[in-house]
Amino acid sequence: NAGVTQTPKFRILKIGQSMTLQCTQDMNHNYMYWYRQDPGMGLKLIYYSVGAGITDKGEVPNGYNVSRSTTEDFPLRLELAAPSQTSVYFCASSNGQGISGNTIYFGEGSWLTVV
Amino acid sequence: AQSVTQPDIHITVSEGASLELRCNYSYGATPYLFWYVQSPGQGLQLLLKYFSGDTLVQGIKGFEAEFKRSQSSFNLRKPSVHWSDAAEYFCAVATSGTYKYIFGTGTRLKVLA
Repeated sequence: NAGVTQTPKFRILKIGQSMTLQCTQDMNHNYMYWYRQDPGMGLKLIYYSVGAGITDKGEVPNGYNVSRSTTEDFPLRLELAAPSQTSVYFCASSNGQGISGNTIYFGEGSWLTVV
Repeated sequence: AQSVTQPDIHITVSEGASLELRCNYSYGATPYLFWYVQSPGQGLQLLLKYFSGDTLVQGIKGFEAEFKRSQSSFNLRKPSVHWSDAAEYFCAVATSGTYKYIFGTGTRLKVLA
């Protein structure tokens, strides 16, 4: 009953370091998303993907990169980490197949601190 | 552009009291609407959703929400709040075609014993 799995759950980075947040889903969903959550700001979409090999920018893509080589995996890469990237990151997925497929399922989050 | 507004940042209610959390959206067509709950340190869990049909939808944990097109609202309600309902609640709208989800800024609920 895994659903959407994110790793790591917690990470501290130094300014300028790079890292990848891993995300995998076992529901065979076409659509995958990365959000960041900052206090009082709700969730902001970083990148999303509508299928393997297809990605697109969301509201706040600067400083991040993604890839989607398989249906299951959607890693988020932070290049040259900055303090402004301290946040909680959520990976999510949805089926996107017809009206009943439009429910989005979330991972448990990754808490990232850049110092 | 689509948007979701949750006008109340914090709400405090006594256990057993009724609850209403407000959500207003801006979207040209009929939206797909959702309410999610986030407990501290956890991910977001779906409470309920509206796609079409009956404008009063029932969700988990005794929550319900009513879609009012004339008011562009999708308010969340619960007749009697339990201490375990203390959490942050997010309203979201999905756009058809692009499958993008827009979230409100959240309402943090505190429940007094």
